[in-house]
Amino acid sequence: GAGVSQSPSNKVTEKGKDVELRCDPISGHTALYWYRQSLGQGLEFLIYFQGNSAPDKSGLPSDRFSAERTGGSVSTLTIQRTQQEDSAVYLCASSQTGLPLYGYTFGSGTRLTVV
Amino acid sequence: DAKTTQPNSMESNEEEPVHLPCNHSTISGTDYIHWYRQLPSQGPEYVIHGLTSNVNNRMASLAIAEDRKSSTLILHRATLRDAAVYYCILRPSGTYKYIFGTGTRLKVLA
Repeated sequence: GAGVSQSPSNKVTEKGKDVELRCDPISGHTALYWYRQSLGQGLEFLIYFQGNSAPDKSGLPSDRFSAERTGGSVSTLTIQRTQQEDSAVYLCASSQTGLPLYGYTFGSGTRLTVV
Repeated sequence: DAKTTQPNSMESNEEEPVHLPCNHSTISGTDYIHWYRQLPSQGPEYVIHGLTSNVNNRMASLAIAEDRKSSTLILHRATLRDAAVYYCILRPSGTYKYIFGTGTRLKVLA
């Protein structure tokens, strides 16, 4: 596609429920990143996928968070047993290579609200 | 990781130049200086980056101090559509992560 697509754009869930957030990167981009932006804060790195290499999961805040990338394209970020502190905008980005000289292209994000 | 310091907010009049400062006194020789901006309800958007020399592109110019301890993003003629949060980020060569701060919120007055 022309840009990075994320769905849903908004998600309200009850505390304790599981949620799945989806990211469709730009076609042909081998690298995919997830970031989280809490209200009034900067972006926090969560996870990085590059081709067939093992993902860098060093930013995942707890074992309730997991992500996968199927077929080198679409990625899903899963949050189990959601907590109120998980409320944030979850941003996905992609780039042509793992060390993009000109930066990433971000999607518009999924706004997650845990009530 | 080296940190950057930016003013929390700035204002500019429409059609005037805007100079957005960034201090990065602990920058290392292999750190690239990247700028992104985030419009309301959107993800960040790449603006420009540089290492040592000043850079120009269709969106903006980047002026880098000779000692590289500071840089300035220059919007030559601000428009209302330039109202956004501007992030100055250091990214070491060979790494893929950005460490975002809280940026500068630019308000453009009509």
